[in-house]
Amino acid sequence: RKEVEQDPGPFNVPEGATVAFNCTYSNSASQSFFWYRQDCRKEPKLLMSVYSSGNEDGRFTAQLNRASQYISLLIRDSKLSDSATYLCVVNGGDSSYKLIFGSGTRLLVRP
Amino acid sequence: GEEVAQTPKHLVRGEGQKAKLYCAPIKGHSYVFWYQQVLKNEFKFLISFQNENVFDETGMPKERFSAKCLPNSPCSLEIQATKLEDSAVYFCASSQGSSGEQYFGPGTRLTVT
Repeated sequence: RKEVEQDPGPFNVPEGATVAFNCTYSNSASQSFFWYRQDCRKEPKLLMSVYSSGNEDGRFTAQLNRASQYISLLIRDSKLSDSATYLCVVNGGDSSYKLIFGSGTRLLVRP
Repeated sequence: GEEVAQTPKHLVRGEGQKAKLYCAPIKGHSYVFWYQQVLKNEFKFLISFQNENVFDETGMPKERFSAKCLPNSPCSLEIQATKLEDSAVYFCASSQGSSGEQYFGPGTRLTVT
């Protein structure tokens, strides 16, 4: 079983749609949680950190449920430029602070 | 600088040759991490540094991989005697604190032929 599990998609949605991605992680000791986006053949770019209280940044809302070890990302009013792979990332939970990546969920926003 | 810099962008090596990759972290960031991305989306942690000290090397295939972060020099990742399965994109990331957000460089695409 992978340490971070994500639905690979692709999610194919029209512009303006709302789309939600989910992710589960197996290490209950993980302390830091993130969503990154990765465009084809580029580096991962930090989208947002995820906090237990939930957090919002413009059209993006992230939620964390520590009890269920579940992380979500909601994108409202999708834009063409949102097309990318969204990576759910947690830290290793040990003292190394390495990041553990999910395999990513691909989003395609069509006109 | 304000971005993580990595060189070269692309590197092609024949099997058995040496490959050396470089990374300059964001100024003021104390932590450097190396990751290998194969098969499109599978990231593997290799090694991390706190300044010039190895912080965690549990991901390194030690027999052929080595890395350094020396003062006033870019960090480096060296692969001796490359193998076909070393073909991947190697990303360097830096962070201010140990558990903080990590910012990634553009990566070095290594192709072993």
